Amino acid sequence: QKEVEQDPGPLSVPEGAIVSLNCTYSNSAFQYFMWYRQYSRKGPELLMYTYSSGNKEDGRFTAQVDKSSKYISLFIRDSQPSDSATYLCAMSPTSGTYKYIFGTGTRLKVLA
Amino acid sequence: GAVVSQHPSRVICKSGTSVKIECRSLDFQATTMFWYRQFPKQSLMLMATSNEGSKATYEQGVEKDKFLINHASLTLSTLTVTSAHPEDSSFYICSALFGGQQYFGPGTRLTVT
Repeated sequence: QKEVEQDPGPLSVPEGAIVSLNCTYSNSAFQYFMWYRQYSRKGPELLMYTYSSGNKEDGRFTAQVDKSSKYISLFIRDSQPSDSATYLCAMSPTSGTYKYIFGTGTRLKVLA
Repeated sequence: GAVVSQHPSRVICKSGTSVKIECRSLDFQATTMFWYRQFPKQSLMLMATSNEGSKATYEQGVEKDKFLINHASLTLSTLTVTSAHPEDSSFYICSALFGGQQYFGPGTRLTVT
């Protein structure tokens, strides 16, 4: 079993839809949770990061962490074609090593 | 702010040759940088942690003699793939640690023929 599981997609939605992207994990030591966006043949770009459980909102993006279920989500409201990319979740324990464990990424296509 | 560059963006080399990839933090100093490898439709896999002025720490299964890392300054880390083989063909991405977060470079696509 992988430490972090993420559905690879692709996920296709119409423009304006609400998108839900999810990751599950098995290591209860993870405390920091990140979401990255990666365009084709580019490096990942940090979108959101959260510490421990709870919600965090930034514009059209909302990150949720449910540590009891070992489940994290990223919601994108009013999705745009420019949101079409691969979304990677990443996690790290509190050891201070900054070693991130990444999910495989979910490929999202927002159709105009 | 927190911009990381990589050079080259793409490289094609023949089997048996060595290739050097540079990772630079452009507007900040980074004592710690990371090197990842990403195969198609797979996740980023951490190869090694690069610390300025000291030896790199390699992840299990990564050959340190094949993937030489040098972090000679606070803004530059290099990865040299020695005696490259076709199975080393991949997308190599570096990141630099700043303010508790990793900022990624645009990646280098290596193709070994």
